[in-house]
Amino acid sequence: AQSVTQLGSHVSVSEGALVLLRCNYSSSVPPYLFWYVQYPNQGLQLLLKYTSAATLVKGINGFEAEFKKSETSFHLTKPSAHMSDAAEYFCAVSVTAGTALIFGKGTTLSVSS
Amino acid sequence: DGGITQSPKYLFRKEGQNVTLSCEQNLNHDAMYWYRQDPGQGLRLIYYSQIVNDFQKGDIAEGYSVSREKKESFPLTVTSAQKNPTAFYLCASSSWTGLGDGYTFGSGTRLTVV
Repeated sequence: AQSVTQLGSHVSVSEGALVLLRCNYSSSVPPYLFWYVQYPNQGLQLLLKYTSAATLVKGINGFEAEFKKSETSFHLTKPSAHMSDAAEYFCAVSVTAGTALIFGKGTTLSVSS
Repeated sequence: DGGITQSPKYLFRKEGQNVTLSCEQNLNHDAMYWYRQDPGQGLRLIYYSQIVNDFQKGDIAEGYSVSREKKESFPLTVTSAQKNPTAFYLCASSSWTGLGDGYTFGSGTRLTVV
């Protein structure tokens, strides 16, 4: 069965610093991978997705993620953090059409000035 | 504009009461999902439905029930059998496969037991 692990429940960075949020997946077949962002008391918004095309995926708000099969990872990065990036981020995986996404437990990103 | 509407935004339930959370979408999506979110737990799947009049249990279906009588609607009932219902509930929809474009989420319903 597939699963996803987000390393670090809370990440703190300074404004302008690199953002790195870690996600590792477990799957016996090529996965589809997603990153979502959630602002307080709101639903989730899709940041980016990997669907077996390019391994480096660019998303909204300057975020990108790289699929590394050898490391079973799909880490999310942004070169320079902005105060508005403070939110909770979820990694999700799916491998089979018609089954529901499996989400990680989330990483809360704090950005200080 | 197309999207998903969840209502109400806040809901209070007395002990022993059943309550129903509404979820409506106008995206013409085939599949709909209900997730429960608790602090530090991420999103846990309650139920999902790929077609009208059919749905499957997720990981934490006990104490919940759903119906899918229309493509646009997927209401969730939290029954009195659910012993700890206080949580944030999220509804989502997608194409049938759910793979290519991911999910579209509603803005959630926060349920509190009083």
